Amino acid sequence: DTEVTQTPKHLVMGMTNKKSLKCEQHMGHRAMYWYKQKAKKPPELMFVYSYEKLSINESVPSRFSPECPNSSLLNLHLHALQPEDSALYLCASSQPSYNPGLAGGTQYFGPGTRLTVL
Amino acid sequence: AQSVTQLDSQVPVFEEAPVELRCNYSSSVSVYLFWYVQYPNQGLQLLLKYLSGSTLVESINGFEAEFNKSQTSFHLRKPSVHISDTAEYFCAVSRFQKLVFGTGTRLLVSP
Repeated sequence: DTEVTQTPKHLVMGMTNKKSLKCEQHMGHRAMYWYKQKAKKPPELMFVYSYEKLSINESVPSRFSPECPNSSLLNLHLHALQPEDSALYLCASSQPSYNPGLAGGTQYFGPGTRLTVL
Repeated sequence: AQSVTQLDSQVPVFEEAPVELRCNYSSSVSVYLFWYVQYPNQGLQLLLKYLSGSTLVESINGFEAEFNKSQTSFHLRKPSVHISDTAEYFCAVSRFQKLVFGTGTRLLVSP
């Protein structure tokens, strides 16, 4: 089973709202990722969690707040977003890399949450 | 730093024709290479990967890619495409926990 699930599929929110995106995997992976993808562009890495600890933050604005409550779940809390934050938000998981010189495991992606900020 | 180049932003092809989507990478060290496919309004699906071993890797739906170290390429090929292959294809390299994506190639298959 290589399934990563994400909820909700679609989300519309105002700039003053607080909402959360959820991601879940049951593959036993210990690394989880958030990506942002704008139309006709490749995904851009936002955050990486390894063993439930934040290991990479790609200088993401603080209005995006990630959380990894356990090894299967990953959340992205959203607050005071801007219209330019509208995008497809993708979650992925993999086995973590044990050596900075080596690549991590193959990343498996969820179907994404389509976010629209009004 | 490593990077991935997909020179073709769009490749139009007729159904049952062969296709090649080009991918070149730059890296001073060994990398892992991937092709992902994204159908409209969906997430990314792993198509195939090269980690080590045989330089020719195949997917279950007829695609194959060949790792060429001397040319730093990992081109994706299919001998006969279907309408259902219409999608965006991303080449990517992996180092540590980061995937570096190319800009993508849109494959448009018409009858």
